[in-house]
This record gives sequence, structure tokens and C-alpha cells, in this order.
Amino acid sequence: EVKLAESGGGLVKPGGSLRLSCGASGFSLSSYAMNWARQAPGKGLEWVASISSSSSYVFYADSVKGRFTISRDNANNSLYLQMNSLRAEDTAVYYCVRVVEYSTYYFDFWGPGTLVTVSS
Amino acid sequence: DIQMTQSPSSLSASVGDKVTITCRASQSISVYLNWYYHKQGEAPKLLIYAVSTLQNGVPSRFNGSGSGRDFTLTISNLQPDDFATYYCQQTYNTPRTFGRGTKVEIK
Repeated sequence: EVKLAESGGGLVKPGGSLRLSCGASGFSLSSYAMNWARQAPGKGLEWVASISSSSSYVFYADSVKGRFTISRDNANNSLYLQMNSLRAEDTAVYYCVRVVEYSTYYFDFWGPGTLVTVSS
Repeated sequence: DIQMTQSPSSLSASVGDKVTITCRASQSISVYLNWYYHKQGEAPKLLIYAVSTLQNGVPSRFNGSGSGRDFTLTISNLQPDDFATYYCQQTYNTPRTFGRGTKVEIK
């Protein structure tokens, strides 16, 4: 059974940092590109960052570029999101997402999410 | 960036109804159009990818169609579990933008 489990969310002050982790099981992480997406309170879904299966390529939404870093450890079946210089507008539920990119590209499996609250 | 305009933002319907949600891209996105289902407090789920291919386990009452810039999600014979928010998404390029969502509520 495919499972994604995010952790590391919590309350942080503006300007602070947080590192999210995502543990993957039930599939070989090294075979998939992975993404982070988020949903702010009362808002829709927003793509945040993506990383290729071998970490060769990374992409970021403009709203987080220069502040967030996506990384992965395939040997330990883990995905990470390092978030620095956090702002109130980064408050959201953050989802770890598996990607299928064979002839097309789609987010086929999502974790349950972890809540990040940026507030003083 | 490619903008995804989804409509309506919400709709009310009854069990057994047929509903249609539309999504328009700001430029042609070929077949890189996906639909997701989301209930608050749960993980979003993939419904349809590449315009019209149903994800494994998704009932056949869900149907996706369209091409180029204009796409449609149709749900026939609405069931109680279908009351949720639906999002379209383009993956033609980055950023992988979503529509603003359509909340399907019980009438």
C-alpha cells in the first residue's frame, strides 16, 4: 500500500525556519519525481516545489523561490522541504505528493498533510 | 504563468443530479489537464489525468473531456460522497497551476 506521511509542521514566528519531512512507503521512492503542494486557510491548492527522481532538477513557485529548498534521500525513502524566512502568508497545510511523469504529468498520490502556522 | 479559470466556484445539487464543471487555460495545454477531488481535512485525490483518463478506482460516473484550452468535468448520478471541492490543474509547464476550485454542495 502506498503511503506518504508528512511531519515537522507547527507554529513558527515570522522570519523563522522549519523543516518538513515526508516518509514514503509501499513503493520505490527513487522511481518517482516528488512535489510539495499547500493549501492556505480558505484558499485553494497551490503547487510549491518539485524535484526529479535523482534530484537533478528542482523547480519552485515564485512565492517561495529563494526561501524554500526541496531535497530528497532515496536511500531513506524521504522527501524534505526546508523553509526559511517564513511569512504569515506561508501558513498552510503542506502536502507531500508523488508524481507520475510517463507521457504526461500528474499528481497521483497525496499525503494527509501537515499544518504550518506562521504567527507571532 | 498559465492561468486556470475554473467555474462555477460553487454549485448546489441533489443526489442523482448531473453536474458540469469547466476549466479554461490561458493558453493551449495540449492534454496536460488533471482533475482532483478534495474533502476538507483529507488528502486530495486524483480523479482524472490527461483530460479524460480515470484514475484506478474512480467510478465511471466521472467523465473528463476537452482539448486545447477548454476542459470539462462531468459527474453523473451525483452520490453523497461526491460532495466536495474539485480542482483542475495544468501540468504543461511550471508552475503547475490549479484552478480556484469548485465546491459541490448538497441542495
